[in-house]
Formats: sequence, C-alpha cells, structure tokens
Amino acid sequence: GAGVSQSPSNKVTEKGKDVELRCDPISGHTALYWYRQSLGQGLEFLIYFQGNSAPDKSGLPSDRFSAERTGGSVSTLTIQRTQQEDSAVYLCASSLGSPADTQYFGPGTRLTVL
Amino acid sequence: GEDVEQSLFLSVREGDSSVINCTYTDSSSTYLYWYKQEPGAGLQLLTYIFSNMDMKQDQRLTVLLNKKDKHLSLRIADTQTGDSAIYFCAEIDVLNNAGNMLTFGGGTRLMVKP
Repeated sequence: GAGVSQSPSNKVTEKGKDVELRCDPISGHTALYWYRQSLGQGLEFLIYFQGNSAPDKSGLPSDRFSAERTGGSVSTLTIQRTQQEDSAVYLCASSLGSPADTQYFGPGTRLTVL
Repeated sequence: GEDVEQSLFLSVREGDSSVINCTYTDSSSTYLYWYKQEPGAGLQLLTYIFSNMDMKQDQRLTVLLNKKDKHLSLRIADTQTGDSAIYFCAEIDVLNNAGNMLTFGGGTRLMVKP
C-alpha cells in the first residue's frame, strides 16, 4: 500500500517568511510524528500526535513551530518567521501507535532558509 | 534526553562483513531499531530487536543486543555496494503523555568498496 507522503519535497524560503509542510500518514495509522534532520543536531524529535489526544510538543525548538493534525489524518507543520537555523530536512513518520509498532518514515521535506 | 552513540564512518570491501556498533543509555527501552538512509532518501526500517532478545537474524542482517553493556550491533554479511548508506540505530523512549518517540544515534556512514 501507499507509504507516508510529504509535500513539498523541497522548499526554499527567505528569512522571516512562514512555511507550511504537509504530511499524509499511512491509512489507518493513529500515531504521527515529526522529526528534524540537520547537520549540526542529527535526527531530533519534534512533535507526536496520537488519535484525538492532545499532541506532545516537547520537542519543538521554539514557539515559532506549531503543528496540527486534522481529522486524525493529515498533519501540517508550520514554521513562522523562519530563521537560517531552521534549514533542515523535516521528516514525518506514522505508526499504529504503541511502542511495539514500527514508525514508517516519509521521504522528507528539505527546507532551505536564505 | 537519552544519548545514543555510534561511530561516524565504516569502510569495507565488497563481500566482507560489516559490523556497525551503537551504545544507548535508556535501559528501559523496549525496542531498538536499525534504519538505513540512502542519499537523498528518507529513513528505511531495516530491522528491530525486542529488549528481551539477545540476537535476531534476518537474511544477511544479524542484530546483537548486550543489555548489560547497553550495546547494540548490526552485522551485514556479504556486504554489497548497494549497502552503502548511513545507518542509524534508535531506541524507543516514553513521552510524558505515555506516547513514544525515537531517539537516534548520529548515524554511521558505510562505504563499500568494489
């Protein structure tokens, strides 16, 4: 079946602009995760959604970052007033929800802030 | 947070075995994972091991887990040039809301010489 999809695959923006990144999880997966991969910090957890529960935002690096998950499916990660240090690959993953369930990753969105 | 550590680089000749090592710190982690990332691609799950096991074999892949030393290894038998990639080990960590997240090592770049 279809895997996790993300759009856009690449995004170049100017410092100070807002960006939205989209993730479509695997159908039927109740858990959705955002991670960030950057040269300096490696792979970092950002935010976790499980069903209709309040998300765990403990990994978000600043209040410029926010995420929504509508209808328990598609998620949007929004970065306001982008900074150069936000440049990274943003990865989305989904799973059936328990620690025993594997997280499957999308191809990522490469964000470049000029 | 917990730290997961890996060596940065490994070079082997085609046909040899590769062994990629990882140390982790969260002894309560129930699952440990190996992911593969090829250039420009997302993370592909290779294999995982449950914490009550000490070995798991899957075709050319063998995972060894030493819980006492918190050491995880991935052995690739008969390494091929197509195995050239970055390999990440990851542990499951519990979030405050009883959700879970992956904590990744920095990745080991495997180079296979023909």
